[in-house]
Amino acid sequence: DTGVSQNPRHKITKRGQNVTFRCDPISEHNRLYWYRQTLGQGPEFLTYFQNEAQLEKSRLLSDRFSAERPKGSFSTLEIQRTEQGDSAMYLCASNRESYEQYFGPGTRLTVT
Amino acid sequence: GENVEQHPSTLSVQEGDSAVIKCTYSDSASNYFPWYKQELGKRPQLIIDIRSNVGEKKDQRIAVTLNKTAKHFSLHITETQPEDSAVYFCAASMGGGFKTIFGAGTRLFVKA
Repeated sequence: DTGVSQNPRHKITKRGQNVTFRCDPISEHNRLYWYRQTLGQGPEFLTYFQNEAQLEKSRLLSDRFSAERPKGSFSTLEIQRTEQGDSAMYLCASNRESYEQYFGPGTRLTVT
Repeated sequence: GENVEQHPSTLSVQEGDSAVIKCTYSDSASNYFPWYKQELGKRPQLIIDIRSNVGEKKDQRIAVTLNKTAKHFSLHITETQPEDSAVYFCAASMGGGFKTIFGAGTRLFVKA
C-alpha cells in the first residue's frame, strides 16, 4: 500500500500519560499535515510541515502537543499529560505540488 | 479567525433525488475549495474540488458551484444512490501548502 499510513491505529491510555503517534506520508510528498477529528465534527487543523520545517501550528494547540518531522519523511505527534478532552481521531495527510491532501486512516485515541 | 459553516447537518433524500449541501467561508484569501466524503470508520476522500478562478465544476453526478463575492459554495449530487450515503465535508484553504479549514459535515442518507 503506497498511501499514507499511521500507527498505531488505536491507542487507549490513562489520563496523565504521554502518547506518541507516527505518520508515514506518501514517499514523494514533501508536505505533511496533522488534524484532529472528534465525533460529529470535521477535521480540525493542528500543524503543518514542509519537508522538515514546521511552518504553521494552530493557536488551539496547547503546549502539551508537539510534532516533529526530523528528516522530512515520517512525522510524530506527541501529547504529554493526556486529558480526557484529547480523546479523538488524529489524522495525518500529505501532498506535494497538488492542492489535494491525501489522508491516512487515523489513530483513534481514547483517554480513560 | 477562519471559519467554514456548513448546512444542513443532516440530509435525507429518496434514491434518485438530488442533494444540495451549502457552505460559507470567512477568509477572503481562500482560493481552493475541496469536498471530502467520509464513510463510517474510514478516512476522508476527495470527491471534487474547485479553485477560485472557476465558478462551476462538474464530474458525472457531482457538481460544485462557487460564488466568491458572497463567499459561499455548494455541492450538488444528482440521481443519488444508496452508496452516496456518508458524511460530506466542505473545506477552504489558500491552496497547496496551507492549512485547510473544514466545515462540521453533512450526514447524507439516501433511502432506497
